[in-house]
Amino acid sequence: DVKVTQSSRYLVKRTGEKVFLECVQDMDHENMFWYRQDPGLGLRLIYFSYDVKMKEKGDIPEGYSVSREKKERFSLILESASTNQTSMYLCASSSPGLAVPYEQYFGPGTRLTVT
Amino acid sequence: DQQVKQNSPSLSVQEGRISILNCDYTNSMFDYFLWYKKYPAEGPTFLISISSIKDKNEDGRFTVFLNKSAKHLSLHIVPSQPGDSAVYFCAASPYNQGGKLIFGQGTELSVKP
Repeated sequence: DVKVTQSSRYLVKRTGEKVFLECVQDMDHENMFWYRQDPGLGLRLIYFSYDVKMKEKGDIPEGYSVSREKKERFSLILESASTNQTSMYLCASSSPGLAVPYEQYFGPGTRLTVT
Repeated sequence: DQQVKQNSPSLSVQEGRISILNCDYTNSMFDYFLWYKKYPAEGPTFLISISSIKDKNEDGRFTVFLNKSAKHLSLHIVPSQPGDSAVYFCAASPYNQGGKLIFGQGTELSVKP
């Protein structure tokens, strides 16, 4: 059974803190993605990675960075958390060889609140 | 600029009736379209997809229709069940962008018994 796990379900941080969100997949997928979900805005892509040590900016990368040192792990970093980064963060993975092209598998999400 | 749009934030239908969720897109360079379903406090799960070269794909109670000339796709659920109550996202994959997906805003479906 495919699995994407995220390190925390709920997180509360203070403005200015450095925040790490971790994502691990056990499917040997090449591609990994970070999204944020906000009401009325859907899922917006922050960063993605096609391979270890590779990263590409998505639609809203400002204020975020990522790290992919191992194939199974993709970390999202908020360098200095701000209140407008309060959101639901979703990690996903995919592979070019899947039966359903472009299907992404999602983790359960991390609800981050920045106060 | 929102390339994939779901203009109805919510939809309410009676159990047993048909649910129709709509999605419009502005870019002709999409290869595949996918529908995802999301329950509260869970990640989205894949529901059904359609290639840009097809106009219909069916899987049990779920059918997706693609009208390329109108740049419109729709998801039909027949018959609707209370367990179908969730947020539905449509997503599109651009050509040659290695699996990236662009999501719509989502439509919250409520199926009433």
